[in-house]
Amino acid sequence: AQRVTQPEKLLSVFKGAPVELKCNYSYSGSPELFWYVQYSRQRLQLLLRHISRESIKGFTADLNKGETSFHLKKPFAQEEDSAMYYCALSGRAGKSTFGDGTTLTVKP
Amino acid sequence: KAGVTQTPRYLIKTRGQQVTLSCSPISGHRSVSWYQQTPGQGLQFLFEYFSETQRNKGNFPGRFSGRQFSNSRSEMNVSTLELGDSALYLCASSPGTGLGEKLFFGSGTQLSVL
Repeated sequence: AQRVTQPEKLLSVFKGAPVELKCNYSYSGSPELFWYVQYSRQRLQLLLRHISRESIKGFTADLNKGETSFHLKKPFAQEEDSAMYYCALSGRAGKSTFGDGTTLTVKP
Repeated sequence: KAGVTQTPRYLIKTRGQQVTLSCSPISGHRSVSWYQQTPGQGLQFLFEYFSETQRNKGNFPGRFSGRQFSNSRSEMNVSTLELGDSALYLCASSPGTGLGEKLFFGSGTQLSVL
């Protein structure tokens, strides 16, 4: 079974502070991991995916297979980063399992 | 390229009724998946269709069904609506041919069951 856990429903940081959104997964094989973001009044969109290893808007995520984690990090948070963030796992083509999401608020 | 289009944008129904939601994927995408989004439970996977066949299924009751047409457009049907079915229903499309594919989401259909 595929399972994704995001332990924090809400996260609040000040502008310029580092931010880390936690994601843990459960899957017996080798899944593909993603982070999706939903800004206010916009549709859900891809932020980054493990296989491309690219940094988008200053965010990075490292897959730790030993701890089965895929935490999202940014060294200096910006106000425009305030959004809902979802961690997702795909263990086979066509099926992605999402976590419950973390609402990030970056205060000025 | 046009994005994923979902219609209608809003729906209000009463308990016991049935409803049909529509999703048009990005041109060339053969996979359409459906999700239920609620404040308390995040995104729950309903099912996925690829080339007119249901390829993956979540843990929803049989009242939730779907289909996909030859042009990849998909519909989702919910019969005998319950109050708990009130949610934002999202569809997403992708090429559907492998792992690690990016999902493209629609704006969703907000369903309210009274």
